[in-house]
Amino acid sequence: QKEVEQDPGPLSVPEGAIVSLNCTYSNSAFQYFMWYRQYSRKGPELLMYTYSSGNKEDGRFTAQVDKSSKYISLFIRDSQPSDSATYLCAMSSPYNTDKLIFGTGTRLQVFP
Amino acid sequence: EPEVTQTPSHQVTQMGQEVILRCVPISNHLYFYWYRQILGQKVEFLVSFYNNEISEKSEIFDDQFSVERPDGSNFTLKIRSTKLEDSAMYFCASSGGQGDKPQHFGDGTRLSIL
Repeated sequence: QKEVEQDPGPLSVPEGAIVSLNCTYSNSAFQYFMWYRQYSRKGPELLMYTYSSGNKEDGRFTAQVDKSSKYISLFIRDSQPSDSATYLCAMSSPYNTDKLIFGTGTRLQVFP
Repeated sequence: EPEVTQTPSHQVTQMGQEVILRCVPISNHLYFYWYRQILGQKVEFLVSFYNNEISEKSEIFDDQFSVERPDGSNFTLKIRSTKLEDSAMYFCASSGGQGDKPQHFGDGTRLSIL
């Protein structure tokens, strides 16, 4: 079983839609959870950072962590064509390491 | 907003040659990292660096790889004798703290080995 699993997509939605992006993981030691956005030929850009379980909201973005199910989500409200990118989940454990383990990324296309 | 900068954006090198990839982390950050992304694959951890020494490295980071912080601002990744399979995007990241602070990435160096 892969440590972090993420559907590669592509996910194609109309402008204004609510987008749901998800990752599952197998390592119960993970405590820090991140979502990055990556445009073509660019580096990962940090969108959301959460510790342990719960929700975090920032503008149109909401991150959810369900540690009991080992499942994290990113919701994008009122999606825009400029949101078209690859979304990477990443996570790490606080125990003697801070390396990030990434999902494969989900490619999102928002059409006008 | 402060950012991580990487140079060059694209490096083409003959197999067997040495290559140095350069990074300027965010100025008040203390933890530095290199990751790589082979085309079509996930971003993979290579090495973390703190207090002028390697704190963790992956299996990928073998004897051909080394990192250095030659001065107060630069952080470099050297590959001594490049192989075809080293072709990838290499990302530098930095963080203000371990674990409880998020990592911020540069735009990467695309390394092409011929």
